Formats: sequence, C-alpha cells, structure tokens
Amino acid sequence: NAGVTQTPKFRVLKTGQSMTLLCAQDMNHEYMYWYRQDPGMGLRLIHYSVGEGTTAKGEVPDGYNVSRLKKQNFLLGLESAAPSQTSVYFCASASSRVSSNQPQHFGDGTRLSIL
Amino acid sequence: QQQVKQSPQSLIVQKGGIPIINCAYENTAFDYFPWYQQFPGKGPALLIAIRPDVSEKKEGRFTISFNKSAKQFSLHIMDSQPGDSATYFCAAFDNYGQNFVFGPGTRLSVLP
Repeated sequence: NAGVTQTPKFRVLKTGQSMTLLCAQDMNHEYMYWYRQDPGMGLRLIHYSVGEGTTAKGEVPDGYNVSRLKKQNFLLGLESAAPSQTSVYFCASASSRVSSNQPQHFGDGTRLSIL
Repeated sequence: QQQVKQSPQSLIVQKGGIPIINCAYENTAFDYFPWYQQFPGKGPALLIAIRPDVSEKKEGRFTISFNKSAKQFSLHIMDSQPGDSATYFCAAFDNYGQNFVFGPGTRLSVLP
C-alpha cells in the first residue's frame, strides 16, 4: 500500500517553462490537496478537490492550475514558472472532511527549483 | 485573522525533558486543531489533534492543552527521546470552509 505518491521528487526548471506535478493515492480518498512549503512559513494551501471532476482555490492559487480527472490522481500545473514558485510541494489526501478519524495523508514532496 | 502564530522557532532539550510548543490563532471559525511531525525529506504526519470543545487530549507521550477563551493551544512531549527530533507544525482548520492554516513550525532537537 503506497499511500500518497508524488512524481517527480526533484525538478529544476528555467523561468517561463511549464510542468505538471502528479499526485496519486491508492486509498480511494475523495479529498485531495496541494500545498507549498517555504522556509519559516509552514504549509500553504494552493488548490484542493472534494471529488473527481471538482477543484477549488486555496490560499495561494495564483500561477497554478489543477485537474482531477480521475479520483486517484490530482495534477498541479505551472504554466509559466517563476522564481517565486521555488518551493517544496506536498500533496495530501483524506477520505472526507478532515478530523482525527479522517486525517490528511501526505506524500513525501516534490522539491522544485526555478532558475 | 488567518494567521496561526507558533513559538518557539527552535528548541533544544535533553533526553527525558518536556518540550512545550505554543500556538495561537484568531479566527473563531476554526474547528479542528492538529499537530504534525515532519522528518527531513518526508511529508508531515498527523501526531495528535483536538477539537475546541475539549481542554486536553493525551496520546501516549504527547499532550495537547487547549484554551478556547485565550485562543491558544500547546503541545507537550513527555519523556522526550532523540527520535522525537523533528519539525513540529500546529495547524488550525475550518472544515466547513476547507480553510487550513499552518504555523511556521518548531525545530526540536532532543540531545542524548
């Protein structure tokens, strides 16, 4: 049981390039989330999805797009990468609204550097 | 109002000590307060969580104390071990609005 798997683990991009980060979960979870983690700032929610075919904006959505075409996958896209998007990106999933009995399960992150 | 303040930024204790990490929030819509533990190169993992109608919750060596009127909550780690050395994040969730706010983290080092 892999849990939440993020691909790739590391990536270096040049300013203006595009890329897609993939998150896959094998727990049949309805809810999925994308966060970014920057030094001294904790995690900030970028976008989330409450089910297949749905997406919604979080706290810091600008410059990112997402898609949830399949229940198990949640894609995060950067159309034109900027140095300010250098960060560690974490995906998480949950079976329903977050609680002690239904926690968020996190992947191990994608470290992205924009030059 | 969306911010969760966390202190200290870093903490060093001897093995067996009781590190305490404090957090404070403003938004009264928050209804779930988890603590996460993160090791280098790994994603955060839920450690313990509490709801605002409870003043204290204990799981093993980890205890959350919650003060609703002061809008503060804290994590205590009893009999700390070197294996507890990690970064700890508090968070405040508004589950209805799917609004999640994390504190900036506390780097804990437990010396053998």
